Amino acid sequence: GAVVSQHPSRVICKSGTSVKIECRSLDFQATTMFWYRQFPKQSLMLMATSNEGSKATYEQGVEKDKFLINHASLTLSTLTVTSAHPEDSSFYICSARFGGAGTEAFFGQGTRLTVV
Amino acid sequence: AQSVAQPEDQVNVAEGNPLTVKCTYSVSGNPYLFWYVQYPNRGLQFLLKYITGDNLVKGSYGFEAEFNKSQTSFHLKKPSALVSDSALYFCAVRDPGAGSYQLTFGKGTKLSVIP
Repeated sequence: GAVVSQHPSRVICKSGTSVKIECRSLDFQATTMFWYRQFPKQSLMLMATSNEGSKATYEQGVEKDKFLINHASLTLSTLTVTSAHPEDSSFYICSARFGGAGTEAFFGQGTRLTVV
Repeated sequence: AQSVAQPEDQVNVAEGNPLTVKCTYSVSGNPYLFWYVQYPNRGLQFLLKYITGDNLVKGSYGFEAEFNKSQTSFHLKKPSALVSDSALYFCAVRDPGAGSYQLTFGKGTKLSVIP
C-alpha cells in the first residue's frame, strides 16, 4: 500500500510555544489530506480537511487560528499548533488519499504531542 | 449524515478461535465501508474495504468482512485469531453521494487475543 510519513513521532514542548507536524505522502500525490486528533481510548476526531493549494476546511469547534494547516504541495501538509497549552496534548494523526471515492485513505504513524 | 456504530468496546478471544468484531452503519445511499487496525501509539493500517460487488471481502492478515445491506452491517472476521491480532480496530464509512471524501469512524473495538 501507499506510504504516509508523519514527523515527528513524539514531541514535548513548553506551554506557549508552537509545534509543527509534517505529513508526507511518499509514493503518491495526495489530492486530499486529513488531520485527526485522538484522545486516549477514543476514536479519531476529524479536525480539518485540506486540498493542495487551497485553504483547509475546519470542522466545527476546531480553532483555525490555533491549528494552522498548510498543504503547499501534493505530497506535503503541515499542522502547526500555535501557542500550545497542556490541553492540546494529544495524539495527532494525518491521512492522505488520492483517486475516487472508493479509494482508501492512508495514515501516518501519528504524533504524540505533550505540552508541559 | 453518516454514522458508524461499534457496539463492543472490547472483544476477548482465545488464540486459535474465530473472532468477530461488529460494525453497523448508517448512510443515505450506498456505503463505502472500511476496516482499519491501530497498534499502540501508531497510525491506522488499512485492512479491507467494501465498495461494490461480492459481499464477502478478503483483506490483509487473513481478515475478512461481510457486507450485509439488510442489516446495515459490516462485521470483521478471522477464522483463527493470533495473539499478534491484539489491537484497536476501527470501522469507517464514506457516503460517495455526499460529495466529500471524509471517513466517519466508529469509536473502535479493542481486541484482545488470549494465549
